[in-house]
Amino acid sequence: KNQVEQSPQSLIILEGKNCTLQCNYTVSPFSNLRWYKQDTGRGPVSLTIMTFSENTKSNGRYTATLDADTKQSSLHITASQLSDSASYICVVSPYSGGGADGLTFGKGTHLIIQP
Amino acid sequence: EAGVAQSPRYKIIEKRQSVAFWCNPISGHATLYWYQQILGQGPKLLIQFQNNGVVDDSQLPKDRFSAERLKGVDSTLKIQPAKLEDSAVYLCASSLDLSGGDEQFFGPGTRLTVL
Repeated sequence: KNQVEQSPQSLIILEGKNCTLQCNYTVSPFSNLRWYKQDTGRGPVSLTIMTFSENTKSNGRYTATLDADTKQSSLHITASQLSDSASYICVVSPYSGGGADGLTFGKGTHLIIQP
Repeated sequence: EAGVAQSPRYKIIEKRQSVAFWCNPISGHATLYWYQQILGQGPKLLIQFQNNGVVDDSQLPKDRFSAERLKGVDSTLKIQPAKLEDSAVYLCASSLDLSGGDEQFFGPGTRLTVL
């Protein structure tokens, strides 16, 4: 069964600090992995998308890494800001298409940035 | 570019009542998705439309849930009758089409509370 496991479940850090969120998956075959940010009361917003051949991708202070061999991904947030407080969801697709067929969502990591 | 619109944003009903949610996708997006997101979980796909045709409704509880996208643009999701376990956020998303790793854009969601 395809699964996406995220850790930690929740995380509290001080403003300005860095943090790393983890995503392990068992989805096969693998096509791409996406990280979404979901603010409270809002829909998820895409941060990065990586295919099998990509090891790292950055979006501002967000840097995602992918190790397709170990089926692990991480999302690193640098110099955290209060606005980074949100849930971060890892989503893995077994197909090259953008449809929801087979998309497997993680439960998310709830990140709280404290001043 | 206007995003995915959903209404209402919040709805409180009693069990066994009926409820309907509305979604207006991004203009020109052929594919529309409805997800159910229970608190603390990742989104779960309920139904996927390509234009006005259903692509995947395998996880839609068809005894009580129904959805339509009559003109291939707006969509409605209905629950009749509602159960306590239907309390969740219902997210609508759209993408250009099924191919090429198209990103899904999510609406703000409708938070349903069933008492």
